[in-house]
Amino acid sequence: QQQVKQSPQSLIVQKGGISIINCAYENTAFDYFPWYQQFPGKGPALLIAIRPDVSEKKEGRFTISFNKSAKQFSLHIMDSQPGDSATYFCAASNRGGSQGNLIFGKGTKLSVKP
Amino acid sequence: DGGITQSPKYLFRKEGQNVTLSCEQNLNHDAMYWYRQDPGQGLRLIYYSQIVNDFQKGDIAEGYSVSREKKESFPLTVTSAQKNPTAFYLCASSRTGLGTEAFFGQGTRLTVV
Repeated sequence: QQQVKQSPQSLIVQKGGISIINCAYENTAFDYFPWYQQFPGKGPALLIAIRPDVSEKKEGRFTISFNKSAKQFSLHIMDSQPGDSATYFCAASNRGGSQGNLIFGKGTKLSVKP
Repeated sequence: DGGITQSPKYLFRKEGQNVTLSCEQNLNHDAMYWYRQDPGQGLRLIYYSQIVNDFQKGDIAEGYSVSREKKESFPLTVTSAQKNPTAFYLCASSRTGLGTEAFFGQGTRLTVV
């Protein structure tokens, strides 16, 4: 129940296309859903995050869509660029829980072709 | 600059040796975490600490040990009991009990030779 399932494992998109990465969770106590971006040899960096009281959050070309009833959330990257090529991790946490730590998906390696 | 500093960036260890990875933060965060990253496995939690002098095991704590004597520091020791220690290790910190926005260091790549 603590798992976050992420798909696809890898994704190839043409420059200018839309990249879509999906995540699903089981624990209804999760109330914070961030996405992290990681470049090779670097630590992950927070990209965008959402709380379950909203269905969508947009920051520039990045949008999180959240479906509370389906327990799913997704990252959309509009007008994908070669510089977006990285590994993306979704995560979830229960901020009111005793641990408060993030549960990560297994990651999606995105390659944007010029 | 505020942030998390991990050192060294690359570390080589002989089998049977213990090795300690350093993690320091100046973000005044209460909580600190150690994750292990393997290809295709995502990030798996090794240990976490929410206050000084207290820490908890994560999902894969066997073969690892930590200490939290100072708020700023959370070193990880990879012991000889860890059977497959070659991996990329990431330290993170966050404010306890709040948004849990975690800030990560740049990682330490440990290779057993």
